[in-house]
Amino acid sequence: EPEVTQTPSHQVTQMGQEVILRCVPISNHLYFYWYRQILGQKVEFLVSFYNNEISEKSEIFDDQFSVERPDGSNFTLKIRSTKLEDSAMYFCASSAGDNYGYTFGSGTRLTVV
Amino acid sequence: AQKVTQAQTEISVVEKEDVTLDCVYETRDTTYYLFWYKQPPSGELVFLIRRNSFDEQNEISGRYSWNFQKSTSSFNFTITASQVVDSAVYFCALSEADRDDKIIFGKGTRLHILP
Repeated sequence: EPEVTQTPSHQVTQMGQEVILRCVPISNHLYFYWYRQILGQKVEFLVSFYNNEISEKSEIFDDQFSVERPDGSNFTLKIRSTKLEDSAMYFCASSAGDNYGYTFGSGTRLTVV
Repeated sequence: AQKVTQAQTEISVVEKEDVTLDCVYETRDTTYYLFWYKQPPSGELVFLIRRNSFDEQNEISGRYSWNFQKSTSSFNFTITASQVVDSAVYFCALSEADRDDKIIFGKGTRLHILP
């Protein structure tokens, strides 16, 4: 069964450092997403990406965040200057449209120290 | 606006008991999708079900069943004959059928199955 792959599974970074979280969506999917889950809380939508541009972003997705699809396979989330409160599990997801085949990756646990 | 409410924060039941997790949603759209996800201690999101708003048939999958009632905007999830391996956090979620397909999650219900 096709999978969304996220790397690394766990990343520790110092406050103020830039971090890039990587995702390989399912190959024929067209819509890509990032979600965040602070420990013990609900999963929150960050951003959706379609046709090489952001289609929607939440209030959480401020100027320190950016997304990119640098080639045909990767989808990245960059956090420019990490803060302690950015510590969370970050999930990537992709879908073929109309919620068809909506699939989440297994997540990257980001710890900012 | 979209909203998903899971009023039960935490539930504990003894193994082999049945348990129902409640979910109430709000949406202005007539076309939408409802989901349930399981999040075990390992942290990944395990897809359980996706239901289209036009399909109100209840669904059963093994020990799992779902009751979708548009009249009360509810999409409840029942585990029959619960097992210790069912212990997890369960999220109900909603997606409106627009271009973005973003999913809005409830706060989750932490389910403890006691041996």
